[in-house]
Amino acid sequence: DVVMTQSPLSLPVTLGQPASISCRSSQSLVHSDGNTYLSWFQQRPGQSPRRLIYKVSNRDSGVPDRFSGSGSGTDFTLKISRVEAEDVGVYYCMQGTHGWTFGQGTKVEIK
Amino acid sequence: QVQLVQSGAEVKKPGASVKVSCKASGDTFTGHYMHWVRQAPGQGLEWMGRIHPNIGDTNYGQKFQGRVTMTRDTSISTSYMELSSLRSDDTAVYYCARDGGYESYDYWGQGTLVTVSS
Repeated sequence: DVVMTQSPLSLPVTLGQPASISCRSSQSLVHSDGNTYLSWFQQRPGQSPRRLIYKVSNRDSGVPDRFSGSGSGTDFTLKISRVEAEDVGVYYCMQGTHGWTFGQGTKVEIK
Repeated sequence: QVQLVQSGAEVKKPGASVKVSCKASGDTFTGHYMHWVRQAPGQGLEWMGRIHPNIGDTNYGQKFQGRVTMTRDTSISTSYMELSSLRSDDTAVYYCARDGGYESYDYWGQGTLVTVSS
């Protein structure tokens, strides 16, 4: 099974400052069809997860442009350019190239 | 707008089974795989399996093989996840989530809390 490792697991941030979450996979996420199926989800307290990014860097409709995804192969990053109060929650990466596996989650909180 | 509405919370005794439903509306039910993901209290997300509503094709996570069964009723646009031989560590919120393409989930249900307790 592909193991997804996120860091950090806890991320205290100051409002208006940038934040970055790393996600590493135990094997390359490049599919035989050429696509890389790496997504990012946000889970606010008490809510269902919500997708932010699919295929590494494609932002979902309605997702603020302060969220961006990047990376390739086994190393991926979610960046928030300027953290707002509504961004508090847990963020998960997920791979869909070799079955489906989630990272452990990164808890974003305001300092 | 796609909506996934799940059945209500359940309390079960160890060894029992639970069946959670997920009713889809707002789009073609048969066109997308439906996945099931669970989340134990205070823990992360865990993939359980998926079903294609049109052909009934299923794939289950190795951890759940032999204990989970996913089915669907296309006449009412509803998917089901049944988990048997329940243990206390099956206590979790169970989500259905639609794969709208890109091997990822564009819509999620609201979650169903299943509590396993004697």
